[in-house]
Amino acid sequence: NAGVTQTPKFQVLKTGQSMTLQCAQDMNHEYMSWYRQDPGMGLRLIHYSVGAGITDQGEVPNGYNVSRSTTEDFPLRLLSAAPSQTSVYFCASRNRGRNSPLHFGNGTRLTVT
Amino acid sequence: DAKTTQPNSMESNEEEPVHLPCNHSTISGTDYIHWYRQLPSQGPEYVIHGLTSNVNNRMASLAIAEDRKSSTLILHRATLRDAAVYYCILRDTQHTEGAQKLVFGQGTRLTINP
Repeated sequence: NAGVTQTPKFQVLKTGQSMTLQCAQDMNHEYMSWYRQDPGMGLRLIHYSVGAGITDQGEVPNGYNVSRSTTEDFPLRLLSAAPSQTSVYFCASRNRGRNSPLHFGNGTRLTVT
Repeated sequence: DAKTTQPNSMESNEEEPVHLPCNHSTISGTDYIHWYRQLPSQGPEYVIHGLTSNVNNRMASLAIAEDRKSSTLILHRATLRDAAVYYCILRDTQHTEGAQKLVFGQGTRLTINP
């Protein structure tokens, strides 16, 4: 099993450009989420989904859109990139159980100039 | 949300035990204590979790204080590969599952000396 796969690994954008960070999991997990990690800030939740067709906002949702059309995929869209969105982005998934552990991808390092 | 407090950094020697502390004085009765670690250039990975009793698995042990206001992650024999940032997180199991939002604080950066 591949687990949680994120693409691309690295990306450089100019301010105002748009892009989609891809996340796919092959574990049939219902729950998926996106975090961003900045130096000194820990991981902060952007958006999450409890199943196909259902998404909700996390702690820092502004500037990001998500959709969940399938169980496997949970893409994160930046509609108009800003330098403040320079960060490392992690996608995670987990089973339904209340203590089921999160499985993380290896991240996408995004730089916005 | 109940918060956790961890030291910013700790240092230990290879092949020695490591005790990573975590304070969570506002923990509620339904909060589970979870630990994750993040190796360099990787996403976090699950280590262990517990509610009241001490827990062991192949990676580590979790010792939980009787009043549950603190816990300690124990690595019995540290290796260089254990150098990572360790996060102690409280997981609310009382409320709707969809509302469970794990809050990752700053964690403890563990350095292992050869």
